[in-house]
Amino acid sequence: IAGITQAPTSQILAAGRRMTLRCTQDMRHNAMYWYRQDLGLGLRLIHYSNTAGTTGKGEVPDGYSVSRANTDDFPLTLASAVPSQTSVYFCASRPREGADEQFFGPGTRLTVL
Amino acid sequence: GDSVTQMEGPVTLSEEAFLTINCTYTATGYPSLFWYVQYPGEGLQLLLKATKADDKGSNKGFEATYRKETTSFHLEKGSVQVSDSAVYFCALSENYGGATNKLIFGTGTLLAVQP
Repeated sequence: IAGITQAPTSQILAAGRRMTLRCTQDMRHNAMYWYRQDLGLGLRLIHYSNTAGTTGKGEVPDGYSVSRANTDDFPLTLASAVPSQTSVYFCASRPREGADEQFFGPGTRLTVL
Repeated sequence: GDSVTQMEGPVTLSEEAFLTINCTYTATGYPSLFWYVQYPGEGLQLLLKATKADDKGSNKGFEATYRKETTSFHLEKGSVQVSDSAVYFCALSENYGGATNKLIFGTGTLLAVQP
């Protein structure tokens, strides 16, 4: 593995179902992020984690939860999916304190019917 | 709050044409500025960055200069190629939740280069 991997690549989900999007990085970055990308809206921050064991809410956190049990993994869970959560989800990480740039995974395309 | 505005697309150019994608920002502090590129079916890749006023970021023939006086960070390339076809996002970093830097993105500009 080199960089950030996300799984699944795409998923079609019935409304009301629970879904976990997985994100794993092998760069030992402390900070990780989840964004959703919607046409005409750019990318919006859902949740973030500064370091293992801590998480925080972003711009659009409702309906989503995250956990950060270790440095490498940052799963995003939709407890009860709704059609408005249809989107492309990107996981990202930041190299170190003082660095501003973030590095992105390949994304998960989620469709909620 | 901080925000980024970039020109709407799509931008359609012929190969070897000059490219400009406009980006302006609103920020209370002095954020770093970025251009990210997203090729079809892929995630975002950092294209270039600038961390302070008058800095010029450059990569792969693309350039952008941090203009504090006009709060702009326009992306330019002298001669585009078909392989440059992608969506380009302008972004700024904002301190968020203490130690965390949050990226604020523009809505993206689709560039289509025709042979």
